[in-house]
Amino acid sequence: DAKTTQPPSMDCAEGRAANLPCNHSTISGNEYVYWYRQIHSQGPQYIIHGLKNNETNEMASLIITEDRKSSTLILPHATLRDTAVYYCIVRVARLGGFQKLVFGTGTRLLVSP
Amino acid sequence: DADVTQTPRNRITKTGKRIMLECSQTKGHDRMYWYRQDPGLGLRLIYYSFDVKDINKGEISDGYSVSRQAQAKFSLSLESAIPNQTALYFCATSDPSLSGGFSTDTQYFGPGTRLTVL
Repeated sequence: DAKTTQPPSMDCAEGRAANLPCNHSTISGNEYVYWYRQIHSQGPQYIIHGLKNNETNEMASLIITEDRKSSTLILPHATLRDTAVYYCIVRVARLGGFQKLVFGTGTRLLVSP
Repeated sequence: DADVTQTPRNRITKTGKRIMLECSQTKGHDRMYWYRQDPGLGLRLIYYSFDVKDINKGEISDGYSVSRQAQAKFSLSLESAIPNQTALYFCATSDPSLSGGFSTDTQYFGPGTRLTVL
């Protein structure tokens, strides 16, 4: 799986958009970009994933650059409860079989009042 | 995710004791996983199961065993607990799907069990 690079920490004011970047310059054409987050000592929470196109769900938006070498997770109106470690993960879209979910060090997002 | 539950949520035990952690899911997923998390080491896979007849070792299965009693239930046992098994334990489920010729297999995690072995 492609390696990802994320800033170790970011700050965001409550109510503002949080834009979390991720570089995955060695991504292959058959690899998805996944985002999870983990609030302190809780189970990792799936946020969103995408292959080529931008994606949006009730939690966030995922913007993937045209060359697919980087992406940005957007939390449109951050709240204090969005304070967490955010993980960008690249996984092969493999038919059948199993591939391990590998969490890197992530970005620690702190949302302040 | 309330669809994946783990019991107990916290457990303190002594060295040498047998411990069972339980995981139940209402998502209807065939695949289930057990992970442990230690500070600074991220998540490590212990065991995984693709259906009730399929059990596979992960990267750190020594000292652990599992039982897949039903599609919805996957238990993790520590046969003889030792202090370095003190960790957060997470269960997860997934259900692979095809989309546009590609396969996705999103994992959904339970709330975790904090295990302390004295």
